[in-house]
Amino acid sequence: NAGVTQTPKFQVLKTGQSMTLQCAQDMNHEYMSWYRQDPGMGLRLIHYSVGAGITDQGEVPNGYNVSRSTTEDFPLRLLSAAPSQTSVYFCASSHVGPPTGLDEQYFGPGTRLTVT
Amino acid sequence: AQSVAQPEDQVNVAEGNPLTVKCTYSVSGNPYLFWYVQYPNRGLQFLLKYITGDNLVKGSYGFEAEFNKSQTSFHLKKPSALVSDSALYFCAVFTGGGNKLTFGTGTQLKVEL
Repeated sequence: NAGVTQTPKFQVLKTGQSMTLQCAQDMNHEYMSWYRQDPGMGLRLIHYSVGAGITDQGEVPNGYNVSRSTTEDFPLRLLSAAPSQTSVYFCASSHVGPPTGLDEQYFGPGTRLTVT
Repeated sequence: AQSVAQPEDQVNVAEGNPLTVKCTYSVSGNPYLFWYVQYPNRGLQFLLKYITGDNLVKGSYGFEAEFNKSQTSFHLKKPSALVSDSALYFCAVFTGGGNKLTFGTGTQLKVEL
């Protein structure tokens, strides 16, 4: 199993450009999520999905879009990049089931994004 | 609302000494708690979790954590630290039925010879 994969590993964008960060998992996990990691702020949830066709907002959704057309893939779209979106982005996936719902999350290696 | 606090940005410990990384939480409902570790330029790796049952939870690489409901804490511990334990550690919480995991700001652990 490859686990959770993310592409690209690094990206530099100019302000106003758009791009899509790719995320895929091969563990048949129902739950997928996107986080951004900034120094001193830990990980903050951007968007998440509990299954194909179902997405919802996390803590910091503004400026980002997601879709979930398959169980395996969960791309994150930056609509019009801003310097404030310079960050490291992590995708994660998890099984969902009793008794708690969410289970431990498996993280991808991250995408380091710089917006100039 | 749910939240997690990791009061120490950095913890320094000598190799061979016991280590503790602190975490306190706030939730309305039963807490489900996790510890993750992040090595440089890597994604987070799961260490251990508390769901229910014994308050002392054992996890990977010799780490354990103690759930204390009255103090709303879930401190990470290891009896004898290794230099290779040096990394960034995150505590996280959610409540049952919820879909959002809330992370603390992280604690940098530095183990020195």
